[in-house]
Amino acid sequence: GENVEQHPSTLSVQEGDSAVIKCTYSDSASNYFPWYKQELGKRPQLIIDIRSNVGEKKDQRIAVTLNKTAKHFSLHITETQPEDSAVYFCAATGRGGGSYIPTFGRGTSLIVHP
Amino acid sequence: DTAVSQTPKYLVTQMGNDKSIKCEQNLGHDTMYWYKQDSKKFLKIMFSYNNKELIINETVPNRFSPKSPDKAHLNLHINSLELGDSAVYFCASSQSDRGRPGELFFGEGSRLTVL
Repeated sequence: GENVEQHPSTLSVQEGDSAVIKCTYSDSASNYFPWYKQELGKRPQLIIDIRSNVGEKKDQRIAVTLNKTAKHFSLHITETQPEDSAVYFCAATGRGGGSYIPTFGRGTSLIVHP
Repeated sequence: DTAVSQTPKYLVTQMGNDKSIKCEQNLGHDTMYWYKQDSKKFLKIMFSYNNKELIINETVPNRFSPKSPDKAHLNLHINSLELGDSAVYFCASSQSDRGRPGELFFGEGSRLTVL
């Protein structure tokens, strides 16, 4: 099955700095890579995603890059703000049993200090 | 309108009891999931159903039994609760053939505390 490694487990930055979270996956058949943000006490919510036929995608202050050859993908947040503080999860999604099954990384706790 | 709703949101019970968590989605999705999130925040998949058929059953004790009466509902029943079952259980849904296949819509979570 798929295995997703995520680093770092904790990331502490000053407001305005950039933050980078990296993930690797094991199954070359995975073709969809979403990122979820989970604020304290709330549900995970999708913030950005990338498909296997694209190398980079950007949405305002967040961007995701994908290297299929190396099987790794990264989340980049620029100009961080205190409201970016949350746990971020990467996932690799492959097809199984007629549907798509996301496997999550262990999460990165991002702390943005004002 | 709540897209994915779980009940109850909080559940406190004694070891050895049996409890159920219910999940309903009104998005018309064909796939539903149960994830367990432990104290270290790891999201571990437990079960997945596609069109009411079980497609994933990870290494989960057989005290956990999912039941999908229709495509919009996926309930989780837990027998003989143990201390280690304490966690937040998230229900989620997705649509396999349009939009972002594999994009999960999560419920608010059900926090289970076993004393």
